[in-house]
Amino acid sequence: SAVISQKPSRDICQRGTSLTIQCQVDSQVTMMFWYRQQPGQSLTLIATANQGSEATYESGFVIDKFPISRPNLTFSTLTVSNMSPEDSSIYLCSVTDGSYNEQFFGPGTRLTVL
Amino acid sequence: GENVEQHPSTLSVQEGDSAVIKCTYSDSASNYFPWYKQELGKRPQLIIDIRSNVGEKKDQRIAVTLNKTAKHFSLHITETQPEDSAVYFCAASTGGTSYGKLTFGQGTILTVHP
Repeated sequence: SAVISQKPSRDICQRGTSLTIQCQVDSQVTMMFWYRQQPGQSLTLIATANQGSEATYESGFVIDKFPISRPNLTFSTLTVSNMSPEDSSIYLCSVTDGSYNEQFFGPGTRLTVL
Repeated sequence: GENVEQHPSTLSVQEGDSAVIKCTYSDSASNYFPWYKQELGKRPQLIIDIRSNVGEKKDQRIAVTLNKTAKHFSLHITETQPEDSAVYFCAASTGGTSYGKLTFGQGTILTVHP
């Protein structure tokens, strides 16, 4: 399976600021996704990162709060904007090759907002 | 949209016993059902999956069964070991415009006592 890395691995931020999380894959992949995992909770899909076009957001998530870029088939970024303590979560990117639906996750970014 | 319910939320077994986790889904169009294992502080890892054209799949000590009529699927772990202790998540995915999107269950904390 593809090797997925994320930067940063963790960060502590002040409310009102923004953080951009990077996701890098070692091979071209068909689809990339961003998930949020709140403390002790399950994973919730934020959006599908579409290469060369605007991301597709799930209900409850908006572009102004979570702008996403995907300039090519190996890289994507998620920005958490105007952060509040409620944004404290683990943010994970995932990829699928499209052939078999198998989806693999990056190591995650643990975000704490004070 | 899809809704996935997972039970039990916690499961405690003795080493060597079997463990069973059950999930139900709501969207009859769902056709892909992966299971993830997440150890503390780690990323979710795909351990087994099943597609809607198959009723059962086994991989060593783990197996998954699918009942499309009842819209439920289960994870079976036999001869449990302490290293099986983790949080397990089921998920469901459909094709079409929702291709690749995973809806997760709430998770099951499995504890295997030596």
